[in-house]
Amino acid sequence: DIQMAQSPSSLSASVGDRVTITCRSSQSISSYLNWYQQKPGQAPKLLIFAASSLQSGVTSRFSGSGSGTDFTLTIRSLQPEDFATYYCQQSYRFPYTFGQGTKLETK
Amino acid sequence: EVQLVESGGGLVQPGGSLRLSCEASGFTFSSYTMNWVRQAPGKGLEWLSDISTGSNSIHYADSVKGRFVISRDDARNSLYLQMNSLRAEDTAVYYCARGDTLFGVVIVYWGQGTLVTVSS
Repeated sequence: DIQMAQSPSSLSASVGDRVTITCRSSQSISSYLNWYQQKPGQAPKLLIFAASSLQSGVTSRFSGSGSGTDFTLTIRSLQPEDFATYYCQQSYRFPYTFGQGTKLETK
Repeated sequence: EVQLVESGGGLVQPGGSLRLSCEASGFTFSSYTMNWVRQAPGKGLEWLSDISTGSNSIHYADSVKGRFVISRDDARNSLYLQMNSLRAEDTAVYYCARGDTLFGVVIVYWGQGTLVTVSS
């Protein structure tokens, strides 16, 4: 199975900050990398697919980059509604696998 | 509006069985690959299984292979997950999710989940 490792596991930031979350796969997954946001008690929400494509309706404050094994999710100018947990997921090969999550907390 | 509504969760004893259902509406159910994803309390997301259109292709995570069976009934716009030989570690919220062909199959829409608790 392809292992996905996110860093950091948790992150403290302030409104207005720019933050970056990293995801690394155990083997090349081309650009088959998706990012999700999850808030407590809610289902995940797709933010980015194909490593860098913004899902319809998602604010452009979110951006993704990378290919192969190394990927990043960047949130610029953090807003209060952005404090949540973020997951990467590979959809290159079955079984699809998620990273362990990055919890973004307010400083 | 796409809606996915899971049901069938509850308390079950270790070794027992449970069948989850997901009723879909707001889209042509038969045209989409469907998935099950779970989340143990306080833990991360775990993809479990998918079933393609026409049930032609099915995949499972190693953790549930041989114990769980995914199926669909396009006439009823419904997705199912038959869970057998349940273990304490299967305790989780189970999400039904639609796969869209964006770049490969990407999970876009999710239900709100149904809680399964495996305990004696």
